Amino acid sequence: DAKTTQPPSMDCAEGRAANLPCNHSTISGNEYVYWYRQIHSQGPQYIIHGLKNNETNEMASLIITEDRKSSTLILPHATLRDTAVYYCIVRVANDMRFGAGTRLTVKP
Amino acid sequence: DAGVIQSPRHEVTEMGQEVTLRCKPISGHDYLFWYRQTMMRGLELLIYFNNNVPIDDSGMPEDRFSAKMPNASFSTLKIQPSEPRDSAVYFCASSLSDLIMNTEAFFGQGTRLTVV
Repeated sequence: DAKTTQPPSMDCAEGRAANLPCNHSTISGNEYVYWYRQIHSQGPQYIIHGLKNNETNEMASLIITEDRKSSTLILPHATLRDTAVYYCIVRVANDMRFGAGTRLTVKP
Repeated sequence: DAGVIQSPRHEVTEMGQEVTLRCKPISGHDYLFWYRQTMMRGLELLIYFNNNVPIDDSGMPEDRFSAKMPNASFSTLKIQPSEPRDSAVYFCASSLSDLIMNTEAFFGQGTRLTVV
């Protein structure tokens, strides 16, 4: 039970922002929202995480709604190398389970 | 640090044989995870350890699978006997815990297992 819902696939034009949604309506107060991505058959790669506040790092921004029932990962200027499967995970302690994720295809 | 190191990268074995997958976590990390990935089932958490102790093995599919962590720098996942349906990519990951549980996990490159 991954506890998150994501669209199975999305497309994005190169250079545009990619906005990937995630629903986690049953999230509890001590659970963090994490995002990972998996490029081709490589191991998943950490992107960003947050609890309540919006977060930004060199890779992406994470917007979490006030009720914490959904979040959006934003890649501000998508490149072809951002084509990957993106996983949204809600996590307590170190029990980290992946759902099906969203396959993002960045097109020229 | 070289990251999480898994070996072998590829393994082809015959049904019924024993298979051992190996993982060296990042030095200093106290959590270690084993995952299995297939097209049908996606990325499944099999088992994870904290300070070399198994915490949750509810994802281990059956008794043919076993995992050990004899010390902080080494873990094995063993399948005995192997079956064709065990064919998958097996990932190992490690992370460092802290008091507020906001740590990222680092994954190895995986072992692609094919059982024929």
